[in-house]
Amino acid sequence: QIQLVQSGAEVKKPGASVKVSCKASGYTFTSYGIGWIRQAPGQGLEWMGWISAHNGNTNYAQTLQGRVTMTTDTSTRTAYMELRSLRSDDTAIYFCARAYSALLSFQYWGQGTLVTVSS
Amino acid sequence: EIVLTQSPGTLSLSPGERATLSCRASQTVGSTHLAWYQQKPGQAPKLLIYGTSSRATGVPDRFSAGGSGTDFTLTISRLEPEDFVVYYCHHYGSLPSTFGPGTKVDIK
Repeated sequence: QIQLVQSGAEVKKPGASVKVSCKASGYTFTSYGIGWIRQAPGQGLEWMGWISAHNGNTNYAQTLQGRVTMTTDTSTRTAYMELRSLRSDDTAIYFCARAYSALLSFQYWGQGTLVTVSS
Repeated sequence: EIVLTQSPGTLSLSPGERATLSCRASQTVGSTHLAWYQQKPGQAPKLLIYGTSSRATGVPDRFSAGGSGTDFTLTISRLEPEDFVVYYCHHYGSLPSTFGPGTKVDIK
């Protein structure tokens, strides 16, 4: 079955970076892309961006441009999301989700990774 | 950027009742580019509807949706106990993709 398994919770200090992983199984990794969506505590969903696992093309939310980098490693079927210069308002659950393109819905989701930014 | 507004913020109903959730977009959204998700506490969102009105695999037929242009609706024909959670609309017709703020359906 199709699964996306994310890395564990992280606690970071303001100004630091975090890299969250998302390991895919149960489908041809390079036929789809991975989107990243975050959810601040008690809040709604925020689209962060999307990466093609086929060619590495990316689309990022303008609000995160310059601080976020999404990559994939096809040899391990893993997608990564790195967020730099962390601030307290980056505290959120970060989800990865599969989508064929940046302009499609997300049918399969990872379990989420809590990133806490605190001094 | 297309901004999605959901109403009401909270919908208080009883099991067995009909729920109608609204999602309004700040600009026209392509009819094939609107989705609805259900999120239970502590879980990832679950895709219910894509392409405005197509149910995702395994979604019960008490969930239906429709709309066009800037106005979209999710309907739950008869609420089951497990339906009292949060619902989000999502547009993906242009970048950046955006989500609505959510509607919480709670028990009256």
